[in-house]
Amino acid sequence: GQQVMQIPQYQHVQEGEDFTTYCNSSTTLSNIQWYKQRPGGHPVFLIQLVKSGEVKKQKRLTFQFGEAKKNSSLHITATQTTDVGTYFCAGPIVGGTSYGKLTFGQGTILTVHP
Amino acid sequence: DTEVTQTPKHLVMGMTNKKSLKCEQHMGHRAMYWYKQKAKKPPELMFVYSYEKLSINESVPSRFSPECPNSSLLNLHLHALQPEDSALYLCASSQEFRGRTYEQYFGPGTRLTVT
Repeated sequence: GQQVMQIPQYQHVQEGEDFTTYCNSSTTLSNIQWYKQRPGGHPVFLIQLVKSGEVKKQKRLTFQFGEAKKNSSLHITATQTTDVGTYFCAGPIVGGTSYGKLTFGQGTILTVHP
Repeated sequence: DTEVTQTPKHLVMGMTNKKSLKCEQHMGHRAMYWYKQKAKKPPELMFVYSYEKLSINESVPSRFSPECPNSSLLNLHLHALQPEDSALYLCASSQEFRGRTYEQYFGPGTRLTVT
């Protein structure tokens, strides 16, 4: 079945350092979504990428979708303590009765030391 | 209003109890989801409803029984649970997914402890 691998599992950074998490799918994705879950919170949608090679920015966050639409990355510039949390990528399973089902990566737990 | 609400926030129940989790959204979304999440793990899909009909059941044990009374409400009935069912139960909603996948809006979750 479709698998979405995400690395690293954990990342500890000093405040002000950059951070990147990577997501790789075993199959081509129609789109990829990114979610953030703060400690004790729930996943919150960040962005969806659809086009091959797409790059989107949200302030200090840069999201990329690979040319083959099988990998994606999230880069945070100059991390802040508010960036702490788990970042998940998620790709849809399409077709048949599986519409609407997302396959989540294992998540990257980001810790930012002040 | 982009909020999904869930009640209760916390629930402790014995293995012989019957309880229900509730979820509500007023975004006009016609797809609603139940997820189970263990600590440091991604959400694990349990059920998907589309237009109030169950469209996906991820082989969830029958001690979990979902119900969608109307387009805004989603319930999860719990009966004879096991301690390993202790987890965060998340409800989510999205636009209905004919031909594409939309972002999902998650509720705050119910932290369930089975004793």
